[in-house]
Amino acid sequence: SQKIEQNSEALNIQEGKTATLTCNYTNYSPAYLQWYRQDPGRGPVFLLLIRENEKEKRKERLKVTFDTTLKQSLFHITASQPADSATYLCARDSGGYQKVTFGTGTKLQVIP
Amino acid sequence: NAGVTQTPKFQVLKTGQSMTLQCAQDMNHEYMSWYRQDPGMGLRLIHYSVGAGITDQGEVPNGYNVSRSTTEDFPLRLLSAAPSQTSVYFCASSYSDGTVNYGYTFGSGTRLTVV
Repeated sequence: SQKIEQNSEALNIQEGKTATLTCNYTNYSPAYLQWYRQDPGRGPVFLLLIRENEKEKRKERLKVTFDTTLKQSLFHITASQPADSATYLCARDSGGYQKVTFGTGTKLQVIP
Repeated sequence: NAGVTQTPKFQVLKTGQSMTLQCAQDMNHEYMSWYRQDPGMGLRLIHYSVGAGITDQGEVPNGYNVSRSTTEDFPLRLLSAAPSQTSVYFCASSYSDGTVNYGYTFGSGTRLTVV
């Protein structure tokens, strides 16, 4: 089966530092990986999409990488702020009209 | 733009009862999905649809039915509620050009408790 795995342990970092979250996938490489943010009691919010042939994608303080050799995507938040505290979800998408499969998410806590 | 609207926000059902969770989107998205979210399990796909009249099963479809008669609406029916269906349910829609799914817009969720 096509799995997507995220570190279930919470990540605590100091304000101003760079937060790095990991997403690993099994079996064949998905065509796309998506990253979402979810706050308590709310639905996930789409942040970034990276394609298999893209090594890196940036959006403001966010950076996502896609390493097909390691079967891994890294999600970075630079100059982190307490407002960045949330759960971040990774999802794999095989492209076309295929199912999108989510990881369990990693909770990020940015400490002032 | 309302985005994705889910109703109700909260619901308590007795075992064996049936109900329909409503989902509507006003973004003309072809791709719609239902997920359930449970602690430690993440979001699990129940059913999805790639357009009006077309639906398919996801990872955990048992006990649920869907239909897609219009682009806007994608209701989820619980046929005979069981305590194992206690969960938070999310409806999501996205634009897809048949190659790229350009990221989901999620509703605010329905918190369902089956007693």
